[in-house]
Amino acid sequence: QKEVEQDPGPLSVPEGAIVSLNCTYSNSAFQYFMWYRQYSRKGPELLMYTYSSGNKEDGRFTAQVDKSSKYISLFIRDSQPSDSATYLCAMNARTGYSTLTFGKGTMLLVSP
Amino acid sequence: DSGVTQTPKHLITATGQRVTLRCSPRSGDLSVYWYQQSLDQGLQFLIQYYNGEERAKGNILERFSAQQFPDLHSELNLSSLELGDSALYFCASSASGLNEKLFFGSGTQLSVL
Repeated sequence: QKEVEQDPGPLSVPEGAIVSLNCTYSNSAFQYFMWYRQYSRKGPELLMYTYSSGNKEDGRFTAQVDKSSKYISLFIRDSQPSDSATYLCAMNARTGYSTLTFGKGTMLLVSP
Repeated sequence: DSGVTQTPKHLITATGQRVTLRCSPRSGDLSVYWYQQSLDQGLQFLIQYYNGEERAKGNILERFSAQQFPDLHSELNLSSLELGDSALYFCASSASGLNEKLFFGSGTQLSVL
């Protein structure tokens, strides 16, 4: 079992839909959770950063962490064609010099 | 634009050859990370440098090496290249080694023929 599992997709939705992207993980030591967005032929860019359990909202994006279930989610409201990208979850056990573990990413396609 | 510069953007070479990938971090960032991305393995951490010193090592092959210079730019050297080394190689930087908030470059696409 990989440490971080993520459905590769693609997930196809119409413009304006609410999108739910998810990751599960096995390492209970993970405390810091991130979502990165990667456009084709570009480097990943940080979207959301959360610590421990709970929700965090930033504009149309909401990140949710459920440590008891080892499950994290990213919700995108009012999705736009410009949201079409691959979304990677990432996590690590502590801040400082520990290394991030990434999911393989979910490809999202938002059609006009 | 993340502020992280990687060169070259594309590299085509033959098996057995050696190549060098270069990275300039964001201004003021002391940490540089190298990642390899392939379709089957996803984004894999290779190595991290902090202010010139190796800080952490991931799944980096012995044929690969890296260094960070006094001006904080970094180079990743790949030698005795194999077909399986074909991948996208990313450099990322962060302030003070806080590796959650990474800023990635646009990557170098390496094709080994």
